[in-house]
Amino acid sequence: DGGITQSPKYLFRKEGQNVTLSCEQNLNHDAMYWYRQDPGQGLRLIYYSQIVNDFQKGDIAEGYSVSREKKESFPLTVTSAQKNPTAFYLCASSKVAGDDEQFFGPGTRLTVL
Amino acid sequence: EDQVTQSPEALRLQEGESSSLNCSYTVSGLRGLFWYRQDPGKGPEFLFTLYSAGEEKEKERLKATLTKKESFLHITAPKPEDSATYLCAVQAGGYSSASKIIFGSGTRLSIRP
Repeated sequence: DGGITQSPKYLFRKEGQNVTLSCEQNLNHDAMYWYRQDPGQGLRLIYYSQIVNDFQKGDIAEGYSVSREKKESFPLTVTSAQKNPTAFYLCASSKVAGDDEQFFGPGTRLTVL
Repeated sequence: EDQVTQSPEALRLQEGESSSLNCSYTVSGLRGLFWYRQDPGKGPEFLFTLYSAGEEKEKERLKATLTKKESFLHITAPKPEDSATYLCAVQAGGYSSASKIIFGSGTRLSIRP
């Protein structure tokens, strides 16, 4: 089955620790995205990548970092510089950047204690 | 400022009771408007894309319409399995403007049997 996988589903970390969230897709999509979702708010774009070895900051990139070494993979690191990291993180992909339909993964809920 | 507002925040209906969800937007250069369905603790699932005023799209009990200022998601004779949060998103600007995708905060729809 083609799709997007995110792992883990739930993640707990102590304050001050960096943590990396995994996102893998087997849809052969060029573009990948990371969003953050907080209760009662819409999705906010953290980073996006249009092609391998390229990525751009979204609206709320501070305290986050990404890499895109392979087409299939777009991991997100939440650093200790992120002031309020507890949230639901969603990874998405589309055939090309700016394409209409984005396919979303199941999400990772990060809780920082 | 580009903005997307969804109303109501929450809607409770009886099974079979038709209604509409609203998505109003203020963006420069609308490129497309998207509707997604999101179940609790899961990633959004794509429903529709609308490109221009007057356009309509249907899928089972759902119909999405678009005007120059807003979009409606009409749900006809809903069933309990239609209960979910419905998200609206707008893409503004030119090609590859992934950073210009703006999500509304969603409408939580609950259908009672």
